[in-house]
Amino acid sequence: DIQMTQSPSSLSASVGDRVTITCRASQSISIYLNWYQQNPGKAPRLLIYAASTLQSGVPSRFSGSGSGTDFTLTISSLQPEDFATYYCQQSYSVLTFGGGTKVEI
Amino acid sequence: EVQLLESGGGLIQPGGSLRLSCAASGFIFTDYAMSWVRQAPGKGLEWVSTISESGRSTYYADSVKGRFTISRDNSNNTLFLQINSLRAEDTALYYCAKDSRARISVIVVEHFDYWGQGTLVTVSS
Repeated sequence: DIQMTQSPSSLSASVGDRVTITCRASQSISIYLNWYQQNPGKAPRLLIYAASTLQSGVPSRFSGSGSGTDFTLTISSLQPEDFATYYCQQSYSVLTFGGGTKVEI
Repeated sequence: EVQLLESGGGLIQPGGSLRLSCAASGFIFTDYAMSWVRQAPGKGLEWVSTISESGRSTYYADSVKGRFTISRDNSNNTLFLQINSLRAEDTALYYCAKDSRARISVIVVEHFDYWGQGTLVTVSS
C-alpha cells in the first residue's frame, strides 16, 4: 500500500498566520490527493480534491498544490474555526490516509 | 441537503458480530459508490470498504477482508456493513461516506464529499 506521511504532526499558530502542511506519498500518485479537515468531535470535511481543486463552499483561504509525491495544504490567514486536524488521502490505489496534522492555538 | 445517518454500533464482545447501517438522503443513491471509514479512539482515519453504485463490486482493506461485508439496498437508500469475528482493534467510530469522482483531464479522482456523524463500535469483554 502507498504510505502517506504528513508533517508536521502538530503545529501551534495564531489567528491570521499563514500555515502550510506537507504530505508526502511513498510513490508517485499524480494528483490523486485529497485533503480533509476534522474538528474535535465532528466528522471529517472535504476541503480539496485532486490536489488543488477547492470543494464547493470551502473558503478561499484554503489552497492545495503539488503532484507526484509531494503536496501541500496552505491556509493563508488562519481563522478561529480552522484549529482542527487535517488529513491527506490518496486515491491512486488502495485508499490510504496520512497520520494527520493537528493545528493548535 | 445530503444526509448520512449511521446506526447499529454498540458494545460487543470479542468474536461477536454487528450490522451497521447508513441511511442516505438528499442525493440519487444509485449514482454513487459508498464507503465506510473508521477512526479508532484518538487515532487517524482508516478506509475500510467501498461498494460500487450497483453493489456488484466491493473492495476491502486487508485488515478487515474476510470478516467484514459491505452491501447496499438501493431500493431503500441504505448502506450496510456486516462485521464479524470482532477484535479489540476493531474498536472505532465507523463513518459512512459518499464517494464522488472528479474528472481532471484524463484522470478521475475519487474522494469522499460527504460524511455521516459515525456510529461507535466498542469491542470489549
